[in-house]
Amino acid sequence: AQKVTQAQTEISVVEKEDVTLDCVYETRDTTYYLFWYKQPPSGELVFLIRRNSFDEQNEISGRYSWNFQKSTSSFNFTITASQVVDSAVYFCALSGLSGGYQKVTFGTGTKLQVIP
Amino acid sequence: GAVVSQHPSRVICKSGTSVKIECRSLDFQATTMFWYRQFPKKSLMLMATSNEGSKATYEQGVEKDKFLINHASLTLSTLTVTSAHPEDSSFYICSARAQDRGRGEQFFGPGTRLTVL
Repeated sequence: AQKVTQAQTEISVVEKEDVTLDCVYETRDTTYYLFWYKQPPSGELVFLIRRNSFDEQNEISGRYSWNFQKSTSSFNFTITASQVVDSAVYFCALSGLSGGYQKVTFGTGTKLQVIP
Repeated sequence: GAVVSQHPSRVICKSGTSVKIECRSLDFQATTMFWYRQFPKKSLMLMATSNEGSKATYEQGVEKDKFLINHASLTLSTLTVTSAHPEDSSFYICSARAQDRGRGEQFFGPGTRLTVL
């Protein structure tokens, strides 16, 4: 069974503040993929990152960075110097080898509001 | 990147009618397509997995006679909501897995917002 927990349901920050979105996962698979998606008000899912379970290197892409800690089963997402355009719902997701990487389990999402 | 389209993007229908939603992979062949449902302010829930040329596999609790899925070609899957009722109102999102892409990679469509009056 797979489970993804995003404990923060809503976060509000003032523009230019840094914000970290938490993601904790559970899986019996030793090989799996983790994802982050952004869903703006329009509804379309925007792919942000995919991380293989064997790759624990942190990744930075512009103002976005991800911290993968296998020891704590966490895959946190940080936005540096937040902007109003970052306002959206962010989903963390997981797909594992036992499901043939077919079934993607999504967390409940964190709604981020960046206040100008 | 790979592009997945959905049509229509928004549909409003009367209770009792059937609605068909199309999901197309525009620049790749998708052996497997997935249909998700998202209630307002909720997460995405997988409804079914469809493989080209075979019957769809439905998740527990999803009525297969209610939500008909057809995956007739490597670029097209359709979801038909039969005899729609107001409780079927939701945001439906499809995704497609490329035949020649790495594991775990799914490409999502823009979603279809269904409102049943």
